[in-house]
Amino acid sequence: QQQVKQSPQSLIVQKGGISIINCAYENTAFDYFPWYQQFPGKGPALLIAIRPDVSEKKEGRFTISFNKSAKQFSLHIMDSQPGDSATYFCAAYIPGSNYQLIWGAGTKLIIKP
Amino acid sequence: ETGVTQTPRHLVMGMTNKKSLKCEQHLGHNAMYWYKQSAKKPLELMFVYNFKEQTENNSVPSRFSPECPNSSHLFLHLHTLQPEDSALYLCASTLTGGNTGELFFGEGSRLTVL
Repeated sequence: QQQVKQSPQSLIVQKGGISIINCAYENTAFDYFPWYQQFPGKGPALLIAIRPDVSEKKEGRFTISFNKSAKQFSLHIMDSQPGDSATYFCAAYIPGSNYQLIWGAGTKLIIKP
Repeated sequence: ETGVTQTPRHLVMGMTNKKSLKCEQHLGHNAMYWYKQSAKKPLELMFVYNFKEQTENNSVPSRFSPECPNSSHLFLHLHTLQPEDSALYLCASTLTGGNTGELFFGEGSRLTVL
């Protein structure tokens, strides 16, 4: 129940295409869903996040789609660029858990020029 | 310096060595974390400190010993490690009571145990 399942494990997308990464969860107590981006040799950094009271959040080329009934959320990267090549982690947070996140296993995204 | 700084960036040690990883944050945060990152696995939370007090120890073996002398510094003391402990160790910090609970990570310490 504490897991966040992320897919795919790896993804190759052509430059200009749409990258889609999916996550699913079981625990309905989760109330904050961030995505972190990690470049090689760097630590993860917050990319975008959503709360379950909205179905979509967009920041530039990055969009989170959230389906509360299906307990799924996904990251869409529009017009994917080689600079987007990184590992992406979804996560979920339980209120009152001392800011501990439950993490997905990560998706290694490669954007081909 | 700004952000979260981890030293050393790379460490190679034998199974009988004693070494320490250091983390320092200049963000005014009050909570600090140690995570273990292994390939193709979710980040594993090891320890959480909130206002210098350890609030979580996720069943981490005693060969890993954390120390948090103040809200800006965090150490991970390593002793008698096993080869399976080889991984990237990430430090993170956040401001509890803030709006988002965003974690700020350091660049990690890559540990290799021979």
